[in-house]
Parts: sequence; C-alpha cells; structure tokens
Amino acid sequence: DAGITQSPRYKITETGRQVTLMCHQTWSHSYMFWYRQDLGHGLRLIYYSAAADITDKGEVPDGYVVSRSKTENFPLTLESATRSQTSVYFCASSERLAGGVEGHEQFFGPGTRLTVL
Amino acid sequence: AQSVTQLGSHVSVSEGALVLLRCNYSSSVPPYLFWYVQYPNQGLQLLLKYTTGATLVKGINGFEAEFKKSETSFHLTKPSAHMSDAAEYFCAVSGSSRRAARQLTFGSGTQLTVLP
Repeated sequence: DAGITQSPRYKITETGRQVTLMCHQTWSHSYMFWYRQDLGHGLRLIYYSAAADITDKGEVPDGYVVSRSKTENFPLTLESATRSQTSVYFCASSERLAGGVEGHEQFFGPGTRLTVL
Repeated sequence: AQSVTQLGSHVSVSEGALVLLRCNYSSSVPPYLFWYVQYPNQGLQLLLKYTTGATLVKGINGFEAEFKKSETSFHLTKPSAHMSDAAEYFCAVSGSSRRAARQLTFGSGTQLTVLP
C-alpha cells in the first residue's frame, strides 16, 4: 500500500539496549522527519533529512542516531535506550518543491509507542 | 526562533455547539501556520494551513481558521461540533524561507471532547 509506514507499532525494551525504529514511505518524498510526542510537549523534532545521505539535527537529537541510505527509508536508532526515551515516535515526510515553499505539508506515519523499562 | 501556545489543554463542547481552539504564535519571520488533528492511536492529519493570501482558511471537516497578524493568532473554529470531531488538535508554525519552511514547531495540543 502507498503511504508512510512505521515498524514496529509497539516496542518494549530495557535500559541500555539498542533499538531501531523503522520508517518507510512510498511517495519518493525528499524530506523525512522524526518526532517524539510526550504529554504536555506536543511533538518535538529529533532529526530530519533533506535527501539520501543528508541529515540534520532537530530540537532534541541527543541519544538518537539516524541514517538515510535510500530515499524511502529513514531509520531511527536509540544506541543505548534510557527511560526518558519512553515516548511515541512519529515519522513524517514531505516533498521537495521545484519553486516556492508553499504546500510543504508533512504526512505522518501511525507512530511507534516505545517503552523503556 | 518560533513558538506556539495553545490555550487550554482540554476543551469540552456539546454536540452542535461552536468549537473554538486557540493558538498564538511567535515568529521572527512571516509564518506559515498549520492545524493538525490526531485521532486515537493514529498519526497526525493536516486540517488546514495558511501560507499566503486569504487570511481566512477553510479546511476539511468544516473547520476553518483565521490568521490575524496583529494578534499573532490562528484560532481554529467549527460552527457545529460533531461527535466525530473528538480528537487532539495541534497548531504548528514554520518560517517562510525555503529552509525554515521545512521545520515545524508544534504547540502542546488541545484535547477536544464532544458531549452528547
């Protein structure tokens, strides 16, 4: 099916373990984003990517690593999970525009609920 | 730098009543403004957006919002609430430059409850 998918949808892990959250989009959008959603904070940007092999930090990047070897995939890795990383993680994508910047809607995946014990 | 403040983390309205969700922003550059809706266990879906042009913006499901530069506001309204409108609503802002437009800053969200 076309769209943006995330896996797994639910994950429980332990402190200190490495965890990778997957994000895949079928639209060939240039831009991809990772957010975390916490009560009272809305969504906060972790990392984003403008194209394959181009990534940049967002508001809360510490403790996370991203890569983007292919346009359609943008995995997020927690190298050593901590309890403070318990959250709901959303991946999003948007298309590059040839001219102006209007229309840069971000399309969101269904989210991954991560619990770190 | 930019920020978004959503007044009221929880709003309750009766079915058929007016829905008003408040959003104020701060931005050092002309902003682009968005409202997203999130239904339980789902991702965010765009309701409407303001980029340039008409300041009254109409979105999906009967929602609309008005950009008021003098008040730095972008409040979301719907004349008559429906039970299916119960969800969490997020206001977001980005800059209007090519680089800044890619980065959305979200408010903390408003949970809308619709009472029968």
